[in-house]
Amino acid sequence: SAVISQKPSRDICQRGTSLTIQCQVDSQVTMMFWYRQQPGQSLTLIATANQGSEATYESGFVIDKFPISRPNLTFSTLTVSNMSPEDSSIYLCSVTGGANVLTFGAGSRLTVL
Amino acid sequence: KQEVTQIPAALSVPEGENLVLNCSFTDSAIYNLQWFRQDPGKGLTSLLLIQSSQREQTSGRLNASLDKSSGRSTLYIAASQPGDSATYLCAGAPNTGNQFYFGTGTSLTVIP
Repeated sequence: SAVISQKPSRDICQRGTSLTIQCQVDSQVTMMFWYRQQPGQSLTLIATANQGSEATYESGFVIDKFPISRPNLTFSTLTVSNMSPEDSSIYLCSVTGGANVLTFGAGSRLTVL
Repeated sequence: KQEVTQIPAALSVPEGENLVLNCSFTDSAIYNLQWFRQDPGKGLTSLLLIQSSQREQTSGRLNASLDKSSGRSTLYIAASQPGDSATYLCAGAPNTGNQFYFGTGTSLTVIP
């Protein structure tokens, strides 16, 4: 299965700032997925990132708040903009590899003060 | 929008018991279904994947099944062990687009 690297693994940020999370995959994939896991909660899909087109956002998530880039088939970034304490979560990048298995990176734990 | 419910939300059993975790989808059109475990403060570990042409999968003491007519899946854990203590999450993809939607999770504690 694909190996996914995320950076940063964790960060503490001030309210009102923005943070960009990077996701690197060791193989070319068509779609990459960004999830959020709030404290004590399950995973919520933020958006699907396709190479060469705009990301597709799920209900409740907007591009202005979570802009996504997908410059090539192995890399994507998610930016959390104008952060508030409610954005404190783990953000996870994922792909579906061989046999449609969904694989995750280790996640980026964000704390907003 | 797909809603995924897992029952029970929490479960505590003595070691050695067999147990069943349940997962249900509001939209029964599930193409692929995957079960994960998540240990506290850790990432997700994939346990089993049921693909579109399948109805169940087995791995060791774990067996997962999917009833596509009802949109329900079960994860059966045989002879539970303390090391099985974790949160179990089901996730379903409605089509070949492979956007998986996650359930609410079941927190399992196996008591030695």
